Amino acid sequence: NAGVTQTPKFRVLKTGQSMTLLCAQDMNHEYMYWYRQDPGMGLRLIHYSVGEGTTAKGEVPDGYNVSRLKKQNFLLGLESAAPSQTSVYFCASTRRGNSPLHFGNGTRLTVT
Amino acid sequence: GEDVEQSLFLSVREGDSSVINCTYTDSSSTYLYWYKQEPGAGLQLLTYIFSNMDMKQDQRLTVLLNKKDKHLSLRIADTQTGDSAIYFCAVEPSGGGADGLTFGKGTHLIIQP
Repeated sequence: NAGVTQTPKFRVLKTGQSMTLLCAQDMNHEYMYWYRQDPGMGLRLIHYSVGEGTTAKGEVPDGYNVSRLKKQNFLLGLESAAPSQTSVYFCASTRRGNSPLHFGNGTRLTVT
Repeated sequence: GEDVEQSLFLSVREGDSSVINCTYTDSSSTYLYWYKQEPGAGLQLLTYIFSNMDMKQDQRLTVLLNKKDKHLSLRIADTQTGDSAIYFCAVEPSGGGADGLTFGKGTHLIIQP
């Protein structure tokens, strides 16, 4: 099994450009999450989903949108990228609450 | 909301034991986790403990939970160079955890030869 796969691995954007980060899991998990990791800040939750067709805001949702049209995919969109969104983005999934999160290997995004 | 605190750095000599500490605020937390992140990689689940346990041992890893003091620790015996990584404490908030885990900022474990 591939587990949680994130694409792309790296991306450089100019301020104002848009992009979509894709997360795919093959474990039939219900819950999926997008985190960002910044030096000295740990991981902060951006958005999450508890099932196909559902999304909810996390701790730092501003500037991001998400969609969960299929159970196995969770997309994170940046409509107008800003330098403050330079970060490493991690997707995670789990079959339900009270279960460990499984993480992808991350997408390193730089906004200039 | 939940707050999870960890020291940012820990330096140990190869072969010694490493003890990484974590404190949290929500006494109703049900599951507590330790994740390991190697450079350029995602977070890998190391071990976890349920809140009704005091200790869990898994080969070189020992997790201790003091629920009264809301203190969690991870002990790595016979620390090796391959243990060099960032270690994250993560706590599942009371209520089921649909909105994910709360993570500490991570402890960088530095191994001295």
